[in-house]
Amino acid sequence: ETGVTQTPRHLVMGMTNKKSLKCEQHLGHNAMYWYKQSAKKPLELMFVYNFKEQTENNSVPSRFSPECPNSSHLFLHLHTLQPEDSALYLCASSPTGGFQETQYFGPGTRLLVL
Amino acid sequence: KQEVTQIPAALSVPEGENLVLNCSFTDSAIYNLQWFRQDPGKGLTSLLLIQSSQREQTSGRLNASLDKSSGRSTLYIAASQPGDSATYLCAAYTGANSKLTFGKGITLSVRP
Repeated sequence: ETGVTQTPRHLVMGMTNKKSLKCEQHLGHNAMYWYKQSAKKPLELMFVYNFKEQTENNSVPSRFSPECPNSSHLFLHLHTLQPEDSALYLCASSPTGGFQETQYFGPGTRLLVL
Repeated sequence: KQEVTQIPAALSVPEGENLVLNCSFTDSAIYNLQWFRQDPGKGLTSLLLIQSSQREQTSGRLNASLDKSSGRSTLYIAASQPGDSATYLCAAYTGANSKLTFGKGITLSVRP
């Protein structure tokens, strides 16, 4: 398998549930990103990991908890979410996190919070 | 704070037409500007990346230009095809916050 994969592709959860989103990249990259894409709003950066270390937390509520066990995998743990958290969550990777690099995106997880 | 604007939000054109998609940004101190394509229900695919020192980049029927002083970029699509129908997003990489700031995108529909 190549590129950036995300699972699940679709997720429906209640506000009291706990779930996790998974991202895997097969590109040998060392930087990984979580983005949130809500309807009618621009894509928003949530977290950045570089060589497994978190280098950016864009004021994201604590009900979103990222985990990067190695350079190929990135998780987003979700708990006690709100309906306004319903969105498309996109994972991306790039070689080293440098500004001159293109980011490669996964297909996203469509999340619906009831 | 960098803001990226793309107007109009949607555009419909007949097949074969040459078209220009516009992108404007408020902070001209950018490192680069990128154009992405997003198909419905899918992730983003990078189309072109223009470094701040460059004026334009070309890939096939696509040409992107950058004018930092005026805070504008355009994506030119030649001889549009129905397969070009998608949402096109521009994003500016700003040194001040070291991240990509995206516009809301332009949803393009090319009619056969």
